[in-house]
Amino acid sequence: NAGVTQTPKFQVLKTGQSMTLQCAQDMNHEYMSWYRQDPGMGLRLIHYSVGAGITDQGEVPNGYNVSRSTTEDFPLRLLSAAPSQTSVYFCASSPSDRAYGYTFGSGTRLTVV
Amino acid sequence: KNQVEQSPQSLIILEGKNCTLQCNYTVSPFSNLRWYKQDTGRGPVSLTIMTFSENTKSNGRYTATLDADTKQSSLHITASQLSDSASYICVVIYTDSWGKLQFGAGTQVVVTP
Repeated sequence: NAGVTQTPKFQVLKTGQSMTLQCAQDMNHEYMSWYRQDPGMGLRLIHYSVGAGITDQGEVPNGYNVSRSTTEDFPLRLLSAAPSQTSVYFCASSPSDRAYGYTFGSGTRLTVV
Repeated sequence: KNQVEQSPQSLIILEGKNCTLQCNYTVSPFSNLRWYKQDTGRGPVSLTIMTFSENTKSNGRYTATLDADTKQSSLHITASQLSDSASYICVVIYTDSWGKLQFGAGTQVVVTP
């Protein structure tokens, strides 16, 4: 099925470790973005991209890096994991026409111990 | 302070009954307002998108209203079903940037038999 695929679904990291959360979409969407969702709070934008080779920071970018070498893929890198990065991470994509809604992936639950 | 406030935080309704969820926002400049449904353990799914010139949008048993003057939106669920049990999230998009959007914390709806 077409959509946004996130891997892994679950991950436990030790403080200081690094890892990459993968996100891929097969809908040829120009816009892709990463969010974190914490209990009692709305989703918060980490980084976004409006096309291959173009990325920008969202509301909470510290501790995360992104790159967009292809239209399909938008990985999120945690440079040195901290317990404060324990969260559920969602990737989303959208056509460039903002009249369309975002398609979200099913999320990655990350725990940093 | 979150610029998108949703109420109530949670509610329990009997199957077959109607309910209304509220979203108040202070985001400016405003582009469009979206309602999403998020099932437990899944990513949000788009229900409706409204621009400032629209005041009603329906999607099956879901009807969203928008009053851009008072900066209020509501989501009405008609003849609730058990499958409506989910978190409902209001999202407000700014006009000037893909990176500017605010999510509400969501209203958790539980439909009981």
